[in-house]
Amino acid sequence: QQQVKQSPQSLIVQKGGISIINCAYENTAFDYFPWYQQFPGKGPALLIAIRPDVSEKKEGRFTISFNKSAKQFSLHIMDSQPGDSATYFCAASGNDYKLSFGAGTTVTVRA
Amino acid sequence: DVKVTQSSRYLVKRTGEKVFLECVQDMDHENMFWYRQDPGLGLRLIYFSYDVKMKEKGDIPEGYSVSREKKERFSLILESASTNQTSMYLCASSRTGLDEQYFGPGTRLTVT
Repeated sequence: QQQVKQSPQSLIVQKGGISIINCAYENTAFDYFPWYQQFPGKGPALLIAIRPDVSEKKEGRFTISFNKSAKQFSLHIMDSQPGDSATYFCAASGNDYKLSFGAGTTVTVRA
Repeated sequence: DVKVTQSSRYLVKRTGEKVFLECVQDMDHENMFWYRQDPGLGLRLIYFSYDVKMKEKGDIPEGYSVSREKKERFSLILESASTNQTSMYLCASSRTGLDEQYFGPGTRLTVT
């Protein structure tokens, strides 16, 4: 049973548009929420991460929004570029340091 | 740069064979992990190790075992491969439990 539910499964966005990926969790012991980016033929790589003491974290065009009471967090990709086309995974972990991953979202940015 | 290497990119094995997947990291990381990646299921943790000769089960350990005799090397063993173990296998390492995990490129295993 997946501990982190991720949606949508895939999305297509025009260059310059905003991509939004949502994740939800149930385990209140989770206190670390990273997002990983994976290009075809490569392993995932850490993109950005947040802890529940803040509601938002921004790094360049990538922003995580976190809603602790709703147990939801999301990734926003602003001004999406063709080079952002990849699969994105949300994840969560608690004090056992084991990451639970979402099912992944394939993002396609059309030029 | 951290480098995590996996012994094979593609592997084809027959049902019942014993399969070894090797992973090596070059950054003296304490923790190493084995995941399998399947469409629609994301990454699922098979086993992880937080020290040499130490191992802990992940979410789906059935049918797998691991070995960590040296800090830099973590092996995943399929004792008797089955077709439902056809998957992409990813190895990762991290400096400590709280740190970023660095992934290898993956091994696509097909069991026929």
